[in-house]
Amino acid sequence: SYELTQPPSVSVSPGQTARITCSGKALPKQYGYWYQQKAGQAPVLVISQNSERPSGIPERFSGSSSGTTLTLTISGVQAEDEADYYCQSSDDYGSAPVVFGRGTKLTVL
Amino acid sequence: QLQLQESGPGLLKSSETLSLTCSVSGDSIRNNYYFCGWIRQPPGKGLEWVGSYSYTGSTFYSPSLESRVIISVDTSKNQFFLKLSSVTAADTAVYYCATSRNGYKHFDYWGQGTLVNISS
Repeated sequence: SYELTQPPSVSVSPGQTARITCSGKALPKQYGYWYQQKAGQAPVLVISQNSERPSGIPERFSGSSSGTTLTLTISGVQAEDEADYYCQSSDDYGSAPVVFGRGTKLTVL
Repeated sequence: QLQLQESGPGLLKSSETLSLTCSVSGDSIRNNYYFCGWIRQPPGKGLEWVGSYSYTGSTFYSPSLESRVIISVDTSKNQFFLKLSSVTAADTAVYYCATSRNGYKHFDYWGQGTLVNISS
């Protein structure tokens, strides 16, 4: 089955830049998305179609794609950014139109 | 602003069928290019896609759940539904309904989620 691979955890100090990666074989051909999930809350879409920031998402959140890797970048990390982050995409063959990565816990030190 | 709300029983016994409803308000799911879906999250674990219904009329299911899942839609009531049969304790999770409106396979709008416990 198709998998998206994320690091389990990333830690940064306030004001620094956090980068979370997501790798998957189909990413050169399929859009990737990023969701933020704070404790006890529903996920929120923070990056759409690899690099588009939905309305209401702070400018410090950005996304990029290169080859088989998506990257979520949070510039000037704030304490409120501490959360789990999930990437999501699709496989190439239509058997799994929605696949989530296992999630990355961002800790703000 | 689009809003989604899950409803259904919070406690089931093993082997029963889980039935959930997602009620959509703020727009008609007959409009735009809706891609509706169900996503679940076992306690302390990550997100797992269960299945989706597309504006094209197609349904898509997780390969690991496909034999037990049915997703349907009632556009007249602006609702979509999840049925998961033969549940076990492993199906205990928060179940979210979610959707996008542009036809792409992702989720812009989410419900608050509903916890479903399966007892053995």
